[in-house]
Amino acid sequence: DTGVSQDPRHKITKRGQNVTFRCDPISEHNRLYWYRQTLGQGPEFLTYFQNEAQLEKSRLLSDRFSAERPKGSFSTLEIQRTEQGDSAMYLCASRKQDSYEQYFGPGTRLTVT
Amino acid sequence: RKEVEQDPGPFNVPEGATVAFNCTYSNSASQSFFWYRQDCRKEPKLLMSVYSSGNEDGRFTAQLNRASQYISLLIRDSKLSDSATYLCTIGTSYGKLTFGQGTILTVHP
Repeated sequence: DTGVSQDPRHKITKRGQNVTFRCDPISEHNRLYWYRQTLGQGPEFLTYFQNEAQLEKSRLLSDRFSAERPKGSFSTLEIQRTEQGDSAMYLCASRKQDSYEQYFGPGTRLTVT
Repeated sequence: RKEVEQDPGPFNVPEGATVAFNCTYSNSASQSFFWYRQDCRKEPKLLMSVYSSGNEDGRFTAQLNRASQYISLLIRDSKLSDSATYLCTIGTSYGKLTFGQGTILTVHP
């Protein structure tokens, strides 16, 4: 158990609905990352926070996606008007400022029907 | 060309075998290098960081060649529990990780 937690672990939703995922990083980690992983592929970077500031967003993050980390602790990832192509595992990772090593949470598996 | 390329396998080896995975990356500005292990439907878990001087952790040895932009992982005396997908991973200065497709390893009795 790395200490990164994610909620929910599984989410099934109908196309067009909005969903929100939560990530709680390891407490002393000020850097937080979101990734998306589809079957047979490695995880792909979505966005990155240093404390509460969102410093980088991937082109994968369309305008239907928004992420926040309001107090520099937990983070949320919201997907509006979900599409079937959004079905994937959404992974959160965190790290300390003085280390490159990232530790992943168990992920939220999203299925859009 | 993908930023990180690795042979997807699968590699099927008997217990006790030695197996090697290779990976190449295209971004010469990459700052950090890792191997992650991922079990089916689980999150990636950090196996080891990779350094130019090479590093060893028990049965696992990792090597980085910056000039050739090449990373390797050697597993000696394979165990059934080593069966997993191994992800070659590079990092940027701010920590964004780029993963390869993953190499599937199956160790059989």
